[in-house]
Amino acid sequence: KAGVTQTPRYLIKTRGQQVTLSCSPISGHRSVSWYQQTPGQGLQFLFEYFSETQRNKGNFPGRFSGRQFSNSRSEMNVSTLELGDSALYLCASSFYPIAKNIQYFGAGTRLSVL
Amino acid sequence: GQQVMQIPQYQHVQEGEDFTTYCNSSTTLSNIQWYKQRPGGHPVFLIQLVKSGEVKKQKRLTFQFGEAKKNSSLHITATQTTDVGTYFCAPPQSNTGKLIFGQGTTLQVKP
Repeated sequence: KAGVTQTPRYLIKTRGQQVTLSCSPISGHRSVSWYQQTPGQGLQFLFEYFSETQRNKGNFPGRFSGRQFSNSRSEMNVSTLELGDSALYLCASSFYPIAKNIQYFGAGTRLSVL
Repeated sequence: GQQVMQIPQYQHVQEGEDFTTYCNSSTTLSNIQWYKQRPGGHPVFLIQLVKSGEVKKQKRLTFQFGEAKKNSSLHITATQTTDVGTYFCAPPQSNTGKLIFGQGTTLQVKP
């Protein structure tokens, strides 16, 4: 079974630009969560989607948004990039909503904002 | 709000020594998960604990869930260089169910 696939793996952007990251969950998984990982803040929850609906949202500004498609694939978008958005963005899928199930993480997208 | 504290933040051990990381919550937990992230890698699920006082073993790794379900620990016996990485505890937030990851304990093992 293929794992969680995130594209692209690396991205370099400049301040003010916007970026879209993609995540394909494990086949059969309908829940997709996004996390931001930085050395200073650790792993921070961004949002979770289940059956195309946002179920949970973390404490991030409105510049961070996401969506989920009918095939469970998910995208997250960051608009008006800031230097502080440089981070590893991890996507995780699970079979159920995360309260009950294991998170399977993708390899992540490393975003550098210059 | 619900907080999770993981200690220590870093631990350097000689290969063969034991290692323990602790996870403490300000509130009672329904369950707790543990993940390991190798350097340059992504978090990988290790185990989930659900019952009060539960103890689970995976080879040299022993996981415990406290009687009051407010703390948990991971103990590694006779560390090996393959144990290097960051270990995270992750309980679900009580009102939303989303996972709250601790800051992690980074383990370095000297051969």
